[in-house]
Amino acid sequence: GNSVTQMEGPVTLSEEAFLTINCTYTATGYPSLFWYVQYPGEGLQLLLKATKADDKGSNKGFEATYRKETTSFHLEKGSVQVSDSAVYFCALLSGGSYIPTFGRGTSLIVHP
Amino acid sequence: NAGVTQTPKFQVLKTGQSMTLQCAQDMNHNSMYWYRQDPGMGLRLIYYSASEGTTDKGEVPNGYNVSRLNKREFSLRLESAAPSQTSVYFCASSEKGLRVNTIYFGEGSWLTVV
Repeated sequence: GNSVTQMEGPVTLSEEAFLTINCTYTATGYPSLFWYVQYPGEGLQLLLKATKADDKGSNKGFEATYRKETTSFHLEKGSVQVSDSAVYFCALLSGGSYIPTFGRGTSLIVHP
Repeated sequence: NAGVTQTPKFQVLKTGQSMTLQCAQDMNHNSMYWYRQDPGMGLRLIYYSASEGTTDKGEVPNGYNVSRLNKREFSLRLESAAPSQTSVYFCASSEKGLRVNTIYFGEGSWLTVV
């Protein structure tokens, strides 16, 4: 079956540091890949997505590249801000399935 | 741009009471989902509906029922609430298609059972 593995958190960084949150997946076919962000007390918001190999999703300074050869979709940001503190979820939706698969989430804490 | 709308946002129930969480989407999506989120557990799928007229159990269906009222609406019912059902509930929808899949979430419903 499909699965998504994220690095465990919390990830704690100082403001302006470089961020990487690892995400690897197993899936049949050619899934679409997503990163969602959940700010404290709020719902999940789509951060970025990629629908085919080598696609790069980007939004709000965050980027992730769909790497089929390594089955990865790592989230990166060059300079984090305190306002980026949130929980980040990696997810996939396979073309052959109706059910999205989520990672367990990675908490990011950014200190001033 | 309403997207996925769920109500209520906050609810406190007594053990044994019943309630229904409502969800509606205006994106003409075929598939809809109910998840619960608990600390340290990530998102767990309760029920889903692949298309209008169909519903299926997810990972944690016990204690819940669902109704896909029409293409827009997908409700979640707790018949006899238990403290273990204290959680944050999210409704979501998606459109299954070649390379156009996207999942959209509602803002969440915070439920406390005392």
